[in-house]
Amino acid sequence: NAGVTQTPKFQVLKTGQSMTLQCAQDMNHEYMSWYRQDPGMGLRLIHYSVGAGITDQGEVPNGYNVSRSTTEDFPLRLLSAAPSQTSVYFCASTFDRASGEQYFGPGTRLTVT
Amino acid sequence: AQSVTQLGSHVSVSEGALVLLRCNYSSSVPPYLFWYVQYPNQGLQLLLKYTTGATLVKGINGFEAEFKKSETSFHLTKPSAHMSDAAEYFCAVSGLSGSARQLTFGSGTQLTVLP
Repeated sequence: NAGVTQTPKFQVLKTGQSMTLQCAQDMNHEYMSWYRQDPGMGLRLIHYSVGAGITDQGEVPNGYNVSRSTTEDFPLRLLSAAPSQTSVYFCASTFDRASGEQYFGPGTRLTVT
Repeated sequence: AQSVTQLGSHVSVSEGALVLLRCNYSSSVPPYLFWYVQYPNQGLQLLLKYTTGATLVKGINGFEAEFKKSETSFHLTKPSAHMSDAAEYFCAVSGLSGSARQLTFGSGTQLTVLP
């Protein structure tokens, strides 16, 4: 298994540009999540999905959209990038639904200028 | 709702010394607790977790943590630090959010190991 994969690894955007961060998992996990990591703030939940076709907002959803058309893929869209969205983004899938244990991808480092 | 507080954003220890990283939590339901480690430019890797049963849990790389309900704590320890332990450590609590259990993370503790 490849586990959780994320592309790209690095990205630089100009303010106002849009882009999609890709996330895929090959473990047939139903639950997937997106987090952003900022210095001194830990990881904050952006959006999550409990299965294909079902998504919900986390703690910091503004400026981000998600969709879940398949079990494997959970892309995160930035519609109009802002410097405040400069961060490291992690995708995760839930390994154990009973406990909430999650398996993380390697991350995407995004800079918005 | 749940929350996690990690005391000390930076901890330095000498190689061979005891490692103690502190984590306190709050949760409205019986908590499931986790410690994750993040090495530079990598994702998060599970060190250990507490769900039910024995309150002293052992993880990878010689780390262990003890769940103390009365103190709402889940401190991470390792008897003897190694240079390879230098990383950022995150404590997390799992709580119900709608129909799913979601993780709430602390702000992290950067561990430096001095030679």
